[in-house]
Amino acid sequence: DTEVTQTPKHLVMGMTNKKSLKCEQHMGHRAMYWYKQKAKKPPELMFVYSYEKLSINESVPSRFSPECPNSSLLNLHLHALQPEDSALYLCASSQDGGFTDTQYFGPGTRLTVL
Amino acid sequence: KNEVEQSPQNLTAQEGEFITINCSYSVGISALHWLQQHPGGGIVSLFMLSSGKKKHGRLIATINIQEKHSSLHITASHPRDSAVYICAALTGNTPLVFGKGTRLSVIA
Repeated sequence: DTEVTQTPKHLVMGMTNKKSLKCEQHMGHRAMYWYKQKAKKPPELMFVYSYEKLSINESVPSRFSPECPNSSLLNLHLHALQPEDSALYLCASSQDGGFTDTQYFGPGTRLTVL
Repeated sequence: KNEVEQSPQNLTAQEGEFITINCSYSVGISALHWLQQHPGGGIVSLFMLSSGKKKHGRLIATINIQEKHSSLHITASHPRDSAVYICAALTGNTPLVFGKGTRLSVIA
């Protein structure tokens, strides 16, 4: 099984809402990633978790809050977002967080902030 | 800082044509990813290679470490190959550095 799943597929939220994105993998990978991708741009790294610890935070605003409850799950909690946060949010995983392994990407959650 | 450049940015081909997408990078890397992204989102990892050549079906990826250059070839292209193809460099100790992607349209 080389699948990374993400839910929901689409999310529309207002600027005062609180919502969460979920990512799951069962490949035994110990590194998980959140990326943000705007239209016609490459993905931008937001966070990396390695062995369930946050190892990289690419200066992401605090309205995005990641959580790694266990080695298979990665959440991204959203609060007080802005319309410019509308994007495709991609999750990925790899064997470890040393940036030497293939990253497997999920299908993404398309987020629209009204 | 590693720069990853892809060419062409956009490519339109007739079904059956042989397609080449190029990727060059500015500093040493440990490996290079080729990724495919269809309209609507999800990214599929096609290859990760650090030397030589890899083949999977109609897709072939090559890399020349000395010249800091990689190519992705698609033989007998098909409309379902229409997607954005992205190369991404792995340096081993920093996050992936992505190219801007090549948008491929294959017309029947």
